[in-house]
Amino acid sequence: DTEVTQTPKHLVMGMTNKKSLKCEQHMGHRAMYWYKQKAKKPPELMFVYSYEKLSINESVPSRFSPECPNSSLLNLHLHALQPEDSALYLCASSVTRGETQYFGPGTRLLVL
Amino acid sequence: GENVEQHPSTLSVQEGDSAVIKCTYSDSASNYFPWYKQELGKRPQLIIDIRSNVGEKKDQRIAVTLNKTAKHFSLHITETQPEDSAVYFCAASKGNTDKLIFGTGTRLQVFP
Repeated sequence: DTEVTQTPKHLVMGMTNKKSLKCEQHMGHRAMYWYKQKAKKPPELMFVYSYEKLSINESVPSRFSPECPNSSLLNLHLHALQPEDSALYLCASSVTRGETQYFGPGTRLLVL
Repeated sequence: GENVEQHPSTLSVQEGDSAVIKCTYSDSASNYFPWYKQELGKRPQLIIDIRSNVGEKKDQRIAVTLNKTAKHFSLHITETQPEDSAVYFCAASKGNTDKLIFGTGTRLQVFP
């Protein structure tokens, strides 16, 4: 398997809901990333995990909670989101930190 | 902090013509420069990258050049085809950090 996969592809949630985004890779990569991308803008880094430990948090609000249960899986738990959090959420992975990052297809999130 | 400027924001070319997109970075310590292509509704896809110990890299119709002194790097696409139409993002990072600083993107349209 040479791809990063993400589920779900689309998600609609209310401001009081709790939901989770899932990212998976089976390439043996030990660094995984969450990005947020608004329309017509570049991706913005949110979190970095290296060897299953959180290494970078780009001052993301606590309503976004990342989790890395194992080396292949990365989750993003969502709670009490705001409409302005609507965006494409991209996961990426790389062999190790500082190496080429490969992106998943993203989850398109709409917060009502 | 690091800043990456990208020009032009839109570029329209006739099929078969060449396209050039230019980026300028601010941090002289940056040493890794990837280019991503993002089609509408799809993931950013790495098309070529270059490290600071190399001045030029080619892959079929795509080439990237790097001028470390001027802190410029450019993407060159020759013999453009309609399927090259997409948004192209340049990015820069330094050392073994994970943070890719993206340019603002160039929307390339190739007309048949």
